[in-house]
Amino acid sequence: EAQVTQNPRYLITVTGKKLTVTCSQNMNHEYMSWYRQDPGLGLRQIYYSMNVEVTDKGDVPEGYKVSRKEKRNFPLILESPSPNQTSLYFCASSFSRVLAKNIQYFGAGTRLSVL
Amino acid sequence: TQLLEQSPQFLSIQEGENLTVYCNSSSVFSSLQWYRQEPGEGPVLLVTVVTGGEVKKLKRLTFQFGDARKDSSLHITAAQPGDTGLYLCAGVNSGYSTLTFGKGTMLLVSP
Repeated sequence: EAQVTQNPRYLITVTGKKLTVTCSQNMNHEYMSWYRQDPGLGLRQIYYSMNVEVTDKGDVPEGYKVSRKEKRNFPLILESPSPNQTSLYFCASSFSRVLAKNIQYFGAGTRLSVL
Repeated sequence: TQLLEQSPQFLSIQEGENLTVYCNSSSVFSSLQWYRQEPGEGPVLLVTVVTGGEVKKLKRLTFQFGDARKDSSLHITAAQPGDTGLYLCAGVNSGYSTLTFGKGTMLLVSP
């Protein structure tokens, strides 16, 4: 089954404790992306990657890191989480960067609380 | 940063009613997408409209892209409880590889 898998689905942590949210896709997609979703603010893009070893900042990259060492994985790293990073996070993937012509598939989300 | 305004924010209707959701911007987008998101899940793409004035139909859902490619609408005919969810519009930015999302319209259809 074609899917984007995020782990963990739920995470509660404390300020300053480094964490990684993993994202994996089994569709051999070139394009992957991370979004956060907040009430009243909607979905905002954090980082995206158009291929292995190629990453770019989205609209809200501050406080986040990503890496794309292999095609299927695109982990999101919070080196020193803060309460304002409490949010619902989504990973997504698409066959190519041309989003108007390719479906972007979203994972089920990771709900993060930073205390 | 380009912005997309969606209206209304919330909509609660009875089964069988018709409704329209609007998505407006002061900027031009190369294309526009509509997504539906259910609780506990990620957004799922419904449609992409590309050409100004384009109309696409998906069963009881009709999507329209404005002539100037700055606005779009989603019309649902004879809404059903299964249509309940968060509807999001997203503009594809000029580089084709990023999206700007609206804040969404939460639709509740009661039996």
